[in-house]
Amino acid sequence: DVKVTQSSRYLVKRTGEKVFLECVQDMDHENMFWYRQDPGLGLRLIYFSYDVKMKEKGDIPEGYSVSREKKERFSLILESASTNQTSMYLCASSSPVPKGSGARETQYFGPGTRLLVL
Amino acid sequence: AQSVTQPDIHITVSEGASLELRCNYSYGATPYLFWYVQSPGQGLQLLLKYFSGDTLVQGIKGFEAEFKRSQSSFNLRKPSVHWSDAAEYFCAVGALGNAGNMLTFGGGTRLMVKP
Repeated sequence: DVKVTQSSRYLVKRTGEKVFLECVQDMDHENMFWYRQDPGLGLRLIYFSYDVKMKEKGDIPEGYSVSREKKERFSLILESASTNQTSMYLCASSSPVPKGSGARETQYFGPGTRLLVL
Repeated sequence: AQSVTQPDIHITVSEGASLELRCNYSYGATPYLFWYVQSPGQGLQLLLKYFSGDTLVQGIKGFEAEFKRSQSSFNLRKPSVHWSDAAEYFCAVGALGNAGNMLTFGGGTRLMVKP
C-alpha cells in the first residue's frame, strides 16, 4: 500500500511565524504535490515537484515556497504565516506510468494537516 | 483550462436509499476523471477512475460512475447507501502536465446519511 504521511495533523501558529509542513511518501514516487482545501473550493494546487530539487508553481503559490531535497520528502513552507492561510493542507504523490500503456498516474493523498493561524 | 463543477454542496439520503452525486467537467481533450472520498478528519481516498474504454466504471465500496461525453458528466452512483458512506466526495479531472496527471478538483459534495 502506498503510504503518504504528514508530520502534523493539527498546527496552531501565530501571524508572521515561519511554518514548515512536511510530507513523506514511501513508494519511491517521482511526483509530489501540495494542495490546500477550503470549504466550497475543493482542493487547489499550491506547488508540485516532479523530481528532486525540481519544483513548479501550481494555481495558488503566493505566500508559499517548497523544498524537495530528497525524493521521499516534500516540504511546504509558509515564510510569514497569515490568517488567510488557515486551511487544511494535503500532500499527494504519484509515479509515472509506462509510456504507451494508456494509463495515467493516480495521486495518493496523505491525511492532511489542519493549520490555524492566529 | 479544465474545470469541474459539483452542483450539489450537500446531499442527505436515508440509509438504504440510492445515491447519485453529480459531476460536470470542462476539458478540451479526452478527460481522465476521478472520484475521491474524504471521511471526517482523513485524507482523500480514491474511489474510482476513468481513463478510457467502458464508460461505466466500478470502484471500491460498491460505487460506480458513468462517463457521458455528450453531457460532459461523470456522475457517481451507489444503489444502497450505508451510514459509513457519510463523507465528502470530490470529482476531479486530470490533464497531462510536467508531473503527469495534474488534477483539477470540484468543490466537493458533502453526503449525510439519515438512519
